[in-house]
Amino acid sequence: GENVEQHPSTLSVQEGDSAVIKCTYSDSASNYFPWYKQELGKRPQLIIDIRSNVGEKKDQRIAVTLNKTAKHFSLHITETQPEDSAVYFCAAPQYSSASKIIFGSGTRLSIRP
Amino acid sequence: GAVVSQHPSWVICKSGTSVKIECRSLDFQATTMFWYRQFPKQSLMLMATSNEGSKATYEQGVEKDKFLINHASLTLSTLTVTSAHPEDSSFYICSASHALSGSSYEQFFGPGTRLTVL
Repeated sequence: GENVEQHPSTLSVQEGDSAVIKCTYSDSASNYFPWYKQELGKRPQLIIDIRSNVGEKKDQRIAVTLNKTAKHFSLHITETQPEDSAVYFCAAPQYSSASKIIFGSGTRLSIRP
Repeated sequence: GAVVSQHPSWVICKSGTSVKIECRSLDFQATTMFWYRQFPKQSLMLMATSNEGSKATYEQGVEKDKFLINHASLTLSTLTVTSAHPEDSSFYICSASHALSGSSYEQFFGPGTRLTVL
């Protein structure tokens, strides 16, 4: 089955700087990679996703890059703001089981004012 | 669109009692619903996958007789925690996917239910 590893577990950046979170996956057949943001006590919210037919996708200050050869994908947040502070999870499909996704362990991002 | 609700948002119960949590897709028909458990400062752990009208598929290590899942319609799934104990205290989150979304893997999450067992 799919194995998703996420790094770092915690990340602190100065407001205005960039933050990068990385994930690796094991199943080369995986073709959908979402990123979720979860604030304390709230539901995970999809912030961006990428499919395997593209290498990069951008939405304002958020971008995701995918390297299928190396089986890793990364979340990039530029010009960080205090409201970006949250826990971020990557995920990848459990390809052998229709529609299941496996979550990474999460990254707690803190933005220093 | 693609709104999922959960009820209740929080519940406190005594040890040994059962608790039922409802998950509803409000504006779409969910072909599949998922139940996750999340302990403090940890990731979401999938408990089971359910399809309407069929038995749920449980992940390894999840007791199906303790966590009863019913998916009676395309808009409603329920999770019943039977004979709850303090170690079952957690944040339970459901999600739903539907055939019309861009990817069969795209899931829409409910707001979660915080269960505290005394």
